[in-house]
Amino acid sequence: QVQLQESGPGLVKPSQTLSLSCNVSGDSITSGTYYWSWIRQPAGKGLEWIGRVYASGNTRYNPSLKSRVTISLNPSKNEFSLTMTSLTAADTAVYYCASDGWELEYWGQGTLVTVSS
Amino acid sequence: DIQMTQSPSSLSAFVGERVTITCRASQKIATYLNWYQQKPGKAPNLLIYGASSLQSGVPSRFSGSGSGTDFTLTISGLQPEDLATYYCQQSYDSPPSFGGGTKVEIK
Repeated sequence: QVQLQESGPGLVKPSQTLSLSCNVSGDSITSGTYYWSWIRQPAGKGLEWIGRVYASGNTRYNPSLKSRVTISLNPSKNEFSLTMTSLTAADTAVYYCASDGWELEYWGQGTLVTVSS
Repeated sequence: DIQMTQSPSSLSAFVGERVTITCRASQKIATYLNWYQQKPGKAPNLLIYGASSLQSGVPSRFSGSGSGTDFTLTISGLQPEDLATYYCQQSYDSPPSFGGGTKVEIK
């Protein structure tokens, strides 16, 4: 059973950079069993896929966010991370990490990020 | 990008009733279609993958069908614990995209 746990600041100021981590247990993030994805959900709205990182470290991003997003692996901690720059109020959302293998099988519980001064 | 359209956006049904949710893709996606259930305040939970395969541990009253552009999620005998929002998601092409969701309420 794979388990994921997000961590990071709950409040970020506009124009600043968000950094979130996702700790994975039950599988090695470099095993190649899964890709590792970030998804977000504004309050009362639907789900938006942000991007994924492969075991190789290669990445794929949603074109709508590509210019502001970086996803990377930290194998020593069995974590992967999300960095998003130039935040605005529109980036306020619950951010989820998930295992990604054609379907998003395992999810973290989500972390609320509020962008406000 | 592939657009996913769900209908209805919400529905209300009695316990025991059969419920059907549809999802349409803007282009053919074979059977690269997944369904998720999201209960209030919780992360989404995978119900169906590959359009019709039931995820382990999911009750058999949930079923999925379809291929190409048109897909259906059926709950055959709605239960009180099925109160949730249901999302379809295509994994045929990047970026993966979700439908807008169907909120299921109990009468």
